[in-house]
Amino acid sequence: GQSLEQPSEVTAVEGAIVQINCTYQTSGFYGLSWYQQHDGGAPTFLSYNALDGLEETGRFSSFLSRSDSYGYLLLQELQMKDSASYFCAVRALKAAGNKLTFGGGTRVLVKP
Amino acid sequence: GAVVSQHPSRVICKSGTSVKIECRSLDFQATTMFWYRQFPKQSLMLMATSNEGSKATYEQGVEKDKFLINHASLTLSTLTVTSAHPEDSSFYICSARDTNGSSNQPQHFGDGTRLSIL
Repeated sequence: GQSLEQPSEVTAVEGAIVQINCTYQTSGFYGLSWYQQHDGGAPTFLSYNALDGLEETGRFSSFLSRSDSYGYLLLQELQMKDSASYFCAVRALKAAGNKLTFGGGTRVLVKP
Repeated sequence: GAVVSQHPSRVICKSGTSVKIECRSLDFQATTMFWYRQFPKQSLMLMATSNEGSKATYEQGVEKDKFLINHASLTLSTLTVTSAHPEDSSFYICSARDTNGSSNQPQHFGDGTRLSIL
């Protein structure tokens, strides 16, 4: 099976940097995805890491270390609109159905 | 970019009613679609994998007779919550990935259906 751990909540001020860590235990790992979800909305895709290293997409970056079963999402130059829940999700191998298993989510609250 | 359309966005109905939710991939084909359920302030829990032209694969603990899934075409999957009860009230979300895309293509989510059973 799969299990993922991430902090439940993070509070920061506008302009700050936030790092959301995600550790996972899984069989058949293919990659680690990150999704953002605002209250009442659907998850939107942010980033995906299949290989070790850092992926940068604008203010958001994601990192993966397969040997450590660890990844993180880095939110830079925080804006009020970044207040949302952020989920890491493990993508299983095709043989396991390409399924996504989500972590519990990290609620990020950005204060002025 | 890839768009997944989910309909209806909100349903309020009486206990015992069956509710059908549609999930469409608008600009790509998806041999596989996924159905999730999310309770307030909780994570997304995978209910089942919808397979085009064959039976859905249900996760442990999900009643297949309660949550009927049909995936009749490469762009449409439906979830029917049969004889819904108040405990079935939740946020139901579908997702799909472009079958013809690269292996790094992400899953894209529909806007979700908020189901409230009175």
